[in-house]
Amino acid sequence: GDSVTQMEGPVTLSEEAFLTINCTYTATGYPSLFWYVQYPGEGLQLLLKATKADDKGSNKGFEATYRKETTSFHLEKGSVQVSDSAVYFCALSDQSGGYQKVTFGTGTKLQVIP
Amino acid sequence: DSGVTQTPKHLITATGQRVTLRCSPRSGDLSVYWYQQSLDQGLQFLIQYYNGEERAKGNILERFSAQQFPDLHSELNLSSLELGDSALYFCASSVEDSSLQPQHFGDGTRLSIL
Repeated sequence: GDSVTQMEGPVTLSEEAFLTINCTYTATGYPSLFWYVQYPGEGLQLLLKATKADDKGSNKGFEATYRKETTSFHLEKGSVQVSDSAVYFCALSDQSGGYQKVTFGTGTKLQVIP
Repeated sequence: DSGVTQTPKHLITATGQRVTLRCSPRSGDLSVYWYQQSLDQGLQFLIQYYNGEERAKGNILERFSAQQFPDLHSELNLSSLELGDSALYFCASSVEDSSLQPQHFGDGTRLSIL
């Protein structure tokens, strides 16, 4: 079945540091890939998405490229801010048995210190 | 604001009781998903509805049930509650049942079993 593997957290960075959160996946079909962010006390929010190989999703300075050859969708940001502190979830969405099936990673907590 | 409304925000009850969680999807969204988020098990998919019909079941206990009504709102019923059912319960919605579409999450219902 489908699965998503994220790097363990928490990840602690100083403000303006470079961020990478690794995400790899296994899927039987041709999934779409997503990054969601969850701020404390809130639900998950879509951060970015990519729907086919070599697509790059970007939003708010975050980027991720759909790499089919390495089955990866790593999240990057050149300079993190304290306000980026949150939990980040990688997810894949696939059509299975005629319906959309979404598989989430376990989440990676990011802490940015001033 | 995702446009997905969940009520109540907090629920405190005792073991053995039954509760109902309510979700109103974004205007125009036909798919509704329910998830359970606990500290030790991450985000677990429970069940999906599309335009009133059950589409997929995940790790949903037999003590739990859900339905989607003609006006597209959904309810998750949890019965014979156990201490281990304490968690955040999220509802998400999407426009259609497609792997290309992201999900939009509500802020969740925090359920505490005493």
